Amino acid sequence: EVQVVESGGGLVQPGGSLRLSCVASGFTFSRYWMHWVRQAPGRGLVWVSQINTDGSSTNYADSVEGRFTISRDNAKNTLYLQMNSLGAEDTAVYYCARRVGEYNYGSYYYYMDVWGKGTTVTVSS
Amino acid sequence: DIQMTQSPSSLSASVGDRVTITCRASQSISTYLNWYQQKPGKAPTLLIYAASNLQSGVPSRFSGSGSGTDFTLTISSLQPEDFATYHCQQSYSTPRTFGQGTKLEIK
Repeated sequence: EVQVVESGGGLVQPGGSLRLSCVASGFTFSRYWMHWVRQAPGRGLVWVSQINTDGSSTNYADSVEGRFTISRDNAKNTLYLQMNSLGAEDTAVYYCARRVGEYNYGSYYYYMDVWGKGTTVTVSS
Repeated sequence: DIQMTQSPSSLSASVGDRVTITCRASQSISTYLNWYQQKPGKAPTLLIYAASNLQSGVPSRFSGSGSGTDFTLTISSLQPEDFATYHCQQSYSTPRTFGQGTKLEIK
């Protein structure tokens, strides 16, 4: 079964750090770009970060740039999100998702086809 | 950044109804538009990619259309399991922005 499973969430004080993990199974992890997406309570989905297949290229939302670091270990089939200087605004469920591309009409169309169940991060004193 | 705006934010409908949800981009994104369904307490699942392509396994009552800045998700005949929140997302550029979501509730 193709799946990704997040872990590492929890309660952390403002200014603290946390590292999330996402373990992939059922597919060749090293062939896929991966995303982190978060959802604050009662709010919509917010894209956080993405990483290419070998980890050499990363992108971040402005709201987390400089505080969060995405990385991956293809030997362990694992995606990470290191989160530093956490604030209340980072409280959310964090999902990892697999990126897939399909070639149509001369272009690649990308979408997230496999999502984990998420891990909850709560930033509070 | 490209802003994605969905309307309505919430919608009440009955089983069997035809429902349309709209997503508007702040600039042209061609057909780089995806739709996801999310049920309470669950992860999102992909419904439609590239504006109109149905993901494998998704019922044919779901359809998507549009290009440029205006897109629609249509459910032709609502089923009980369709009551959920729907999110659009652009894949034209980074950051990969989402709409704010449309909550579809039972009337």
